[in-house]
Amino acid sequence: AQSVTQLGSHVSVSEGALVLLRCNYSSSVPPYLFWYVQYPNQGLQLLLKYTSAATLVKGINGFEAEFKKSETSFHLTKPSAHMSDAAEYFCAVSPWGGGGNKLTFGTGTQLKVEL
Amino acid sequence: GAVVSQHPSRVICKSGTSVKIECRSLDFQATTMFWYRQFPKQSLMLMATSNEGSKATYEQGVEKDKFLINHASLTLSTLTVTSAHPEDSSFYICSAMETGLNTEAFFGQGTRLTVV
Repeated sequence: AQSVTQLGSHVSVSEGALVLLRCNYSSSVPPYLFWYVQYPNQGLQLLLKYTSAATLVKGINGFEAEFKKSETSFHLTKPSAHMSDAAEYFCAVSPWGGGGNKLTFGTGTQLKVEL
Repeated sequence: GAVVSQHPSRVICKSGTSVKIECRSLDFQATTMFWYRQFPKQSLMLMATSNEGSKATYEQGVEKDKFLINHASLTLSTLTVTSAHPEDSSFYICSAMETGLNTEAFFGQGTRLTVV
């Protein structure tokens, strides 16, 4: 069984400040881990993914995440927030080898960026 | 990246009618597609896994007779909400995984269904 926990359903940062969105996972097998972004009334866009290569993963729009097995974490960061980053962010896990890429999503974190 | 097109983006229907939602992989073949449902302010919940040429696999608690899934080709899966009721109003999202690859699913834009 797999699961992800996203700490903080709402995060608010100032424009230019560091963004940190937390995700912890639970998996009985080596996982694939993903971060997705969702804008209102739209589907999901992949920000980045971890597939057992480098533990520090760089994604689009300046985001990155670090896989820490010892902490079972995959937190998403961005050094400097921009207004356009305001959206809902989902962490997701999939079993190693894909398992049909059956994704289990966290409950999401709404990021608000203030001037 | 690969493109998944979902249609319609919005639909309003009357109670008791059926609604069909299409999910197409535009530039790749997808043996497997997934259908999710998202309630307001909540996460995505997997409803079913759609496999080309075979019956869909439904998650526990999802009524297969109410949510009919057809995956007749490698580029098209459809979800039909039968005898829709207001409680079926939700945001439905599909995703597709390229055949032979196993690391990423591409998502459609979603369909906002409102049953009145």
